[in-house]
Amino acid sequence: KAGVTQTPRYLIKTRGQQVTLSCSPISGHRSVSWYQQTPGQGLQFLFEYFSETQRNKGNFPGRFSGRQFSNSRSEMNVSTLELGDSALYLCASSPGIWLNTEAFFGQGTRLTVV
Amino acid sequence: KNEVEQSPQNLTAQEGEFITINCSYSVGISALHWLQQHPGGGIVSLFMLSSGKKKHGRLIATINIQEKHSSLHITASHPRDSAVYICAVKQGTSGSRLTFGEGTQLTVNP
Repeated sequence: KAGVTQTPRYLIKTRGQQVTLSCSPISGHRSVSWYQQTPGQGLQFLFEYFSETQRNKGNFPGRFSGRQFSNSRSEMNVSTLELGDSALYLCASSPGIWLNTEAFFGQGTRLTVV
Repeated sequence: KNEVEQSPQNLTAQEGEFITINCSYSVGISALHWLQQHPGGGIVSLFMLSSGKKKHGRLIATINIQEKHSSLHITASHPRDSAVYICAVKQGTSGSRLTFGEGTQLTVNP
């Protein structure tokens, strides 16, 4: 069974640009959560999608957005990039939104904003 | 005060030593996760606990719900155990959202 796949693995963007990251969950998993990891703030929750609907949102500005498709794949978008957006972006998938199951993470996308 | 606190932040051990990493949390939870992160970033799930104790190979995780505390133990540590270990909690009312501790950087020297 394939794991959680994130693309691309690495990305370099310029301030002011926008970026789209992709996450394909484990087959059959319908919940996708996104997290940002920085040296200063650690791992922080961005948002969670289930059945194409955003169910939960962390404390991030509106420049951070996401969506989920009918096949459960999810994308997150960051507009008007700032230097502080440089981070490792991780997604995690789960069979359902309320279940207590193991956490399945992708390898992450490392975004560098210059 | 963070909702999830880990100790120690850094830990250096000699190969073969018994290691304990602690996690305390201040919120009601439905589950607690122990995660491992190697350089390069990928996170691997080690355990998910809602009560009691779990063992997998040389790793043991325990949780005390009343005291809001969990421990991760590594027996007979090995240099390949060197990684960041992260405690994360799932609150019952927050969907699949996880709240993370700051992580413990473990280095095991040969």
